[in-house]
Amino acid sequence: AQSVAQPEDQVNVAEGNPLTVKCTYSVSGNPYLFWYVQYPNRGLQFLLKYITGDNLVKGSYGFEAEFNKSQTSFHLKKPSALVSDSALYFCAVRDSAGNMLTFGGGTRLMVKP
Amino acid sequence: SQTIHQWPATLVQPVGSPLSLECTVEGTSNPNLYWYRQAAGRGLQLLFYSVGIGQISSEVPQNLSASRPQDRQFILSSKKLLLSDSGFYLCAWSVLRQGLSEAFFGQGTRLTVV
Repeated sequence: AQSVAQPEDQVNVAEGNPLTVKCTYSVSGNPYLFWYVQYPNRGLQFLLKYITGDNLVKGSYGFEAEFNKSQTSFHLKKPSALVSDSALYFCAVRDSAGNMLTFGGGTRLMVKP
Repeated sequence: SQTIHQWPATLVQPVGSPLSLECTVEGTSNPNLYWYRQAAGRGLQLLFYSVGIGQISSEVPQNLSASRPQDRQFILSSKKLLLSDSGFYLCAWSVLRQGLSEAFFGQGTRLTVV
């Protein structure tokens, strides 16, 4: 069975500092990996994905993520955090058959001025 | 462009009452459809997914059921709600064409069972 782990319930960062939100996964075959962001009482918004190719993928709002096959990780990063980045972030994995999309438990990002 | 509609946005229902949440997708055909539940603003629990009309896979045994009467319509139902059914319900769709493999979410339904 596929799974996603987000080891940090919350990440605190000062505005202007770099941020990293961690994600590790387990899946059969080649993984499709995703990051989503959720603001209060809203649905999830897609940020970026890794399907194949370059291990560093760039997405919306200045976010990027690095795929590391040997460590089965897909950490989300941003060089300079904004207060408006404060939200709940979810990592997700899809298996090669593509029907099952499994999410991690979420990480709350708090960016303080 | 593709859009997903989910309603209602909020719902307060008494224990023992029935439930029907509807989700429709526009602008695509034969999508995979999903129902998730999110408790206490945290992790997402996959409840049901469907790869076609009348094809429903259940991930968690529970008081809920799902149906897909049309290609782009996905309905979440219950005959008798429990207090534990309270939560934030999210519908999503995806397709498996190259370059379009992410899922897109509706705005969610906040269900409170009282």
